[in-house]
Amino acid sequence: AQKVTQAQTEISVVEKEDVTLDCVYETRDTTYYLFWYKQPPSGELVFLIRRNSFDEQNEISGRYSWNFQKSTSSFNFTITASQVVDSAVYFCALSESQGAQKLVFGQGTRLTINP
Amino acid sequence: EAQVTQNPRYLITVTGKKLTVTCSQNMNHEYMSWYRQDPGLGLRQIYYSMNVEVTDKGDVPEGYKVSRKEKRNFPLILESPSPNQTSLYFCASRGGLADYNEQFFGPGTRLTVL
Repeated sequence: AQKVTQAQTEISVVEKEDVTLDCVYETRDTTYYLFWYKQPPSGELVFLIRRNSFDEQNEISGRYSWNFQKSTSSFNFTITASQVVDSAVYFCALSESQGAQKLVFGQGTRLTINP
Repeated sequence: EAQVTQNPRYLITVTGKKLTVTCSQNMNHEYMSWYRQDPGLGLRQIYYSMNVEVTDKGDVPEGYKVSRKEKRNFPLILESPSPNQTSLYFCASRGGLADYNEQFFGPGTRLTVL
C-alpha cells in the first residue's frame, strides 16, 4: 500500500536559516510521482513541484531545492535562507501510475519562520 | 483565470441537516476529486470522477455522496452530516487522466457540524 510519512510535525527556525523538510514514501509501483504542496495561512494549496520515479536529478528553484533518493525512498525539501513568507504547512504527496487516481498525502509539516 | 471554485467557503450546520458543497472548474478537466483535511492526517480522498457520470470511492467515502452531471461541476453532498465530518474540504481537478499531472485545488470549505 502506498504511504507518505512526514515525521516532522512542526519546525520553527529564525529567518535566514536553512531548513529541510523530510518526506519518506512507500509504494510497490516502479513508476510513481511525488509532489510537494504549500498551504499558507490563507488555506489554499499551492503546487510546488512534481518528480517522477525515473528522474532522480535534484532540482533547484530559487531558494527551494528538492533531493530525491530512491535508495532511501525519500523526497526532501530544503529552503535556503528562509523568509517569513515561507511560513506555511507543507505537504508531500505520492501518486502511483497504475490508476489509483488519487494523491496520497503525508501528515504535513508546519513551518514557522520567526523574524 | 483558470481556477477551481468552491462554495460556501465556511459553513456551520447542525447534525442531520443535509448540505451540499459545490465545486466548479473552468479548465475543461476530465478528472475531479474531493479531499478532506484533518489535523495529523493530511488530506484524504473522499470521491473522484474520471468524467461525466463516472464517479468512484476514495479512501473515506462513508457519509458522502457526489454527482457529475456536467464536466465542470462536482458537488459534494452530505445527506445527514455528523460531527465527525467537521473538517476542511478541498475540491481538485486535473487535466487528463494520467496520474502524473498536477491537481489544481480549490480554496477549501471549512465545515463545522454541531
